[in-house]
Amino acid sequence: EVQLVESGGGLVQPGGSLRLSCAASGFTFSSYWMSWVRQAPGKGLEWVANIKQDGSEKYYVDSVKGRFTFSRDNAKNSLYLQMNSLRAEDTAVYYCARQRWSSTQYYFDFWGQGTLVTVSS
Amino acid sequence: QSVLTQPPSVSGAPGQRVTISCTGSTSNIGAGYDVHWYQQLPGTAPKLLIYGNSNRPSGVPDRFSGSKSGTSASLAISGLQAEDEADYYCQSYDSSLSAVFGGGTKLTVL
Repeated sequence: EVQLVESGGGLVQPGGSLRLSCAASGFTFSSYWMSWVRQAPGKGLEWVANIKQDGSEKYYVDSVKGRFTFSRDNAKNSLYLQMNSLRAEDTAVYYCARQRWSSTQYYFDFWGQGTLVTVSS
Repeated sequence: QSVLTQPPSVSGAPGQRVTISCTGSTSNIGAGYDVHWYQQLPGTAPKLLIYGNSNRPSGVPDRFSGSKSGTSASLAISGLQAEDEADYYCQSYDSSLSAVFGGGTKLTVL
């Protein structure tokens, strides 16, 4: 059974940092691209970043470029999202999701339960 | 503002059929990219409902169906049940080379 378990969320002040983790199990983790998708309170879904199987390619939504860093450790079946210079608008539930490619595009076939990040003074 | 446009809410009585629209543009759905749908039950994570416009993952009832035409797509739910009450999101791919979502549609079962 595919499982994705996020952790590391919490309350942080504007300008602060936080590191999210996602532990994967039930599938060959090193064979898949992975993504982070966030959902602000009462709002819709927003793709944040993704990472290739070996970590050699990473892509980010413009609003987090230069502030967030996505990494993975295939030996530990884990993902990490280092979030720096946090802003109020980064407040959201952050989901890690397994990414499936279909030709030149992708979708998300499994999601974790999410971890809440609150940026507030 | 979401890249893909969905109605904020739809409703229907048990047993009825409802549809949820998802409208994009020539840079995403109209460019030939597929549409995928997710169901988010209250307080839970999204779950893949339809992929590749009309395909159902294993375990998803055939009451759920998807279609796509031009710059739009639709999710249809037939034989509406109380447990279908949830938020539904469409997702596609954009020429900006990233996944894009609709704003979500809240389905109420009357």
